[in-house]
Amino acid sequence: AQSVTQPDIHITVSEGASLELRCNYSYGATPYLFWYVQSPGQGLQLLLKYFSGDTLVQGIKGFEAEFKRSQSSFNLRKPSVHWSDAAEYFCAVGPSGGSYIPTFGRGTSLIVHP
Amino acid sequence: ETGVTQSPTHLIKTRGQQVTLRCSSQSGHNTVSWYQQALGQGPQFIFQYYREEENGRGNFPPRFSGLQFPNYSSELNVNALELDDSALYLCASQGESYGYTFGSGTRLTVV
Repeated sequence: AQSVTQPDIHITVSEGASLELRCNYSYGATPYLFWYVQSPGQGLQLLLKYFSGDTLVQGIKGFEAEFKRSQSSFNLRKPSVHWSDAAEYFCAVGPSGGSYIPTFGRGTSLIVHP
Repeated sequence: ETGVTQSPTHLIKTRGQQVTLRCSSQSGHNTVSWYQQALGQGPQFIFQYYREEENGRGNFPPRFSGLQFPNYSSELNVNALELDDSALYLCASQGESYGYTFGSGTRLTVV
């Protein structure tokens, strides 16, 4: 069975600082990997996704993520955080083919200090 | 900008009652999934429909049921509501490329 671990429940950064949110997955084959963001009271918005190819994936809002197969990780990064980035971030893993049903991690809450 | 619309946005029900939540997917999106998101948790998969047939189900009891219609709309029905059913319910549709488009959700409170 596939699973996702986001080890950090909360992350606090200062505005302008760099950010890295951790995601580790468990899946028997090459997975599809995703990062979503959720603002309070809202649905989830897709930031970026990895299917194959270049392991460094660029997304919206200046985010990027790197797939590291050897570490079963797909960490999300941003070089300079803005106050508007404060939100809940979810990593998800899905099977590469067949009935596509992603499994989500429990999320990391990002707090941005001015 | 989301192409998935959910209604209602908020709902309060009494324990034991039944509830129907609705979702309107993007045109052409044949796959719709429903997720339950409890407070402080990630979304948990309830079930998925593809072309009006259930195509996968998570670890939810049979009192959670669904329907998908030819016009890309769908419903989530929950019978015999329990207090633990209080959550944000998310609908997500999938088009030709992988990656879901989520609605803003329905916040269900069971009292």
